[in-house]
Amino acid sequence: DADVTQTPRNRITKTGKRIMLECSQTKGHDRMYWYRQDPGLGLRLIYYSFDVKDINKGEISDGYSVSRQAQAKFSLSLESAIPNQTALYFCATMKAGGTNEQFFGPGTRLTVL
Amino acid sequence: AQSVTQPDIHITVSEGASLELRCNYSYGATPYLFWYVQSPGQGLQLLLKYFSGDTLVQGIKGFEAEFKRSQSSFNLRKPSVHWSDAAEYFCAVYSGAGSYQLTFGKGTKLSVIP
Repeated sequence: DADVTQTPRNRITKTGKRIMLECSQTKGHDRMYWYRQDPGLGLRLIYYSFDVKDINKGEISDGYSVSRQAQAKFSLSLESAIPNQTALYFCATMKAGGTNEQFFGPGTRLTVL
Repeated sequence: AQSVTQPDIHITVSEGASLELRCNYSYGATPYLFWYVQSPGQGLQLLLKYFSGDTLVQGIKGFEAEFKRSQSSFNLRKPSVHWSDAAEYFCAVYSGAGSYQLTFGKGTKLSVIP
């Protein structure tokens, strides 16, 4: 079984709809991250969390919110989706005090019409 | 703030030829550097990483990278490319202070001609 899973894998929605992307991990890592990938722009950090009570904004947090329901779960929400949020979204985890390697989920492809 | 530059957006090589993908970073302290690969429709897989010690690091799939502090570079190399290496490659630097985040370059897309 995959260590970092993301649901859904693909989603098409309409402008103005609320969308939630979910990430779960079985690696026991305390740090979790949400990135978005756009062609030609690489990956950019949206939010990150060091534990359940520690949530931090990344480079491009406007229009997004997150929830860390448990150590293993980190959800990303788009309260009112807009077309320029069409992108590939990745969740990642990292163990504090480890090798500083981040482990990525398979990604969620989101299309906002 | 840290940054990563991958000067080449797209590179095309013939199968069996050697490969070098360039990466330059900006970071005040000793960097933790990574190369990830993303195959079409897939997530990111770690190829190799540099933390300290030997400046030439070996990774998976026959890749290696050399850290050159004087040039602020961490170039990825492979002596003989296989068609299955066609993918997008991302260099990243880790910030150990504050956000503990990875900052990625914009990626280099590799095409392989049979």
